[in-house]
Amino acid sequence: GVTQSPTHLIKTRGQQVTLRCSSQSGHNTVSWYQQALGQGPQFIFQYYREEENGRGNFPPRFSGLQFPNDSSELNVNALELDDSALYLCASSTGTAETQYFGPGTRLLVL
Amino acid sequence: DAKTTQPTSMDCAEGRAANLPCNHSTISGNEYVYWYRQIHSQGPQYIIHGLKNNETNEMASLIITEDRKSSTLILPHATLRDTAVYYCIVARGSTGGFKTIFGAGTRLFVKA
Repeated sequence: GVTQSPTHLIKTRGQQVTLRCSSQSGHNTVSWYQQALGQGPQFIFQYYREEENGRGNFPPRFSGLQFPNDSSELNVNALELDDSALYLCASSTGTAETQYFGPGTRLLVL
Repeated sequence: DAKTTQPTSMDCAEGRAANLPCNHSTISGNEYVYWYRQIHSQGPQYIIHGLKNNETNEMASLIITEDRKSSTLILPHATLRDTAVYYCIVARGSTGGFKTIFGAGTRLFVKA
């Protein structure tokens, strides 16, 4: 399945954070979502074969990388209090295929 | 991307069928209807999806109206473990990526 690390993280405002995701084997697409408490997941961006392939309404301080070994990263610079959320990654076999989600990383920004 | 409208919450008795409605009146011809559920802050779990025809799998059935403007997810024999937030999503693949837009979902409470 899809795994994410770490499970929980505490940072302070202004810091930078890197979240990691390991996709299901053979999945060439990974999408990242932010889920604030009590809300549905919000699409951040999607990576397909190591290239960004679509982006939601998030500023450039949210960036990502996808590697050939089924792993990917979400990087957030200059953390703000509102960045506190559950961050989810989802992998799929293609850009238009069913997505399978990881358990998420819960980020708290103080 | 089309938006969806779902009831905020629903109750269902254990062992009975749970019927979760979803309106997607602005759906485009190439957009699929997807259903996911999320149990207590875990990652969303894929349930089922469809384009035009009704679909059934081991978890649920999906009924899509002929005009595709609404659909219903049916859990045939709800159990306590089906208590979760259920998201109805319309999504399409495109050169801009498969942007999946989640709404607030329906919180289903299955009661003993």
